[in-house]
Amino acid sequence: DAGVIQSPRHEVTEMGQEVTLRCKPISGHNSLFWYRQTMMRGLELLIYFNNNVPIDDSGMPEDRFSAKMPNASFSTLKIQPSEPRDSAVYFCASSLGELFFGEGSRLTVL
Amino acid sequence: AQSVTQPDIHITVSEGASLELRCNYSYGATPYLFWYVQSPGQGLQLLLKYFSGDTLVQGIKGFEAEFKRSQSSFNLRKPSVHWSDAAEYFCAVGASRDDKIIFGKGTRLHILP
Repeated sequence: DAGVIQSPRHEVTEMGQEVTLRCKPISGHNSLFWYRQTMMRGLELLIYFNNNVPIDDSGMPEDRFSAKMPNASFSTLKIQPSEPRDSAVYFCASSLGELFFGEGSRLTVL
Repeated sequence: AQSVTQPDIHITVSEGASLELRCNYSYGATPYLFWYVQSPGQGLQLLLKYFSGDTLVQGIKGFEAEFKRSQSSFNLRKPSVHWSDAAEYFCAVGASRDDKIIFGKGTRLHILP
């Protein structure tokens, strides 16, 4: 299996622009998680899905952030409009008893 | 709500020395506990996990961890570290296998030659 696949690996954008991060979980995994990692705050859970249904989005920072999982093989995390403080590495992970992480999407908002 | 504390931000040990990384959790019921390792620019890799049973669990790369309910701890150990073990280590806790997993702030391990 190819593992969890995230794209893009790197994104540089300007403040106010829309950012869409993508994730393809491991086939057969029924849970999907989005995390954000920064030096100051560490690894924060943003949202997680179980069987494509959002279960807990209490970690989503504000309304500028949204996440979808239209089917079992794809999820997106969207930031609109983006701000410099959104700069971070965003990880997607899928789970069937244990978390498997993608390599992350490094976002820089100028 | 569950939480995880890793009291040491940085740890430095000499190559060949033993290692113990501390982790304390807060959770009302029996927790699901994990240790992950992250090398620079990489995602997180699972070292080991505890769900139930034997409180001493073995993981990959020669690591082990011991669940101590009375101390709410799940410390990670390795008898002899190698230079390639230099990385950041994260302890994590969850309420079940596929419930949300909360991570500690991490401990960065430095290895002296």
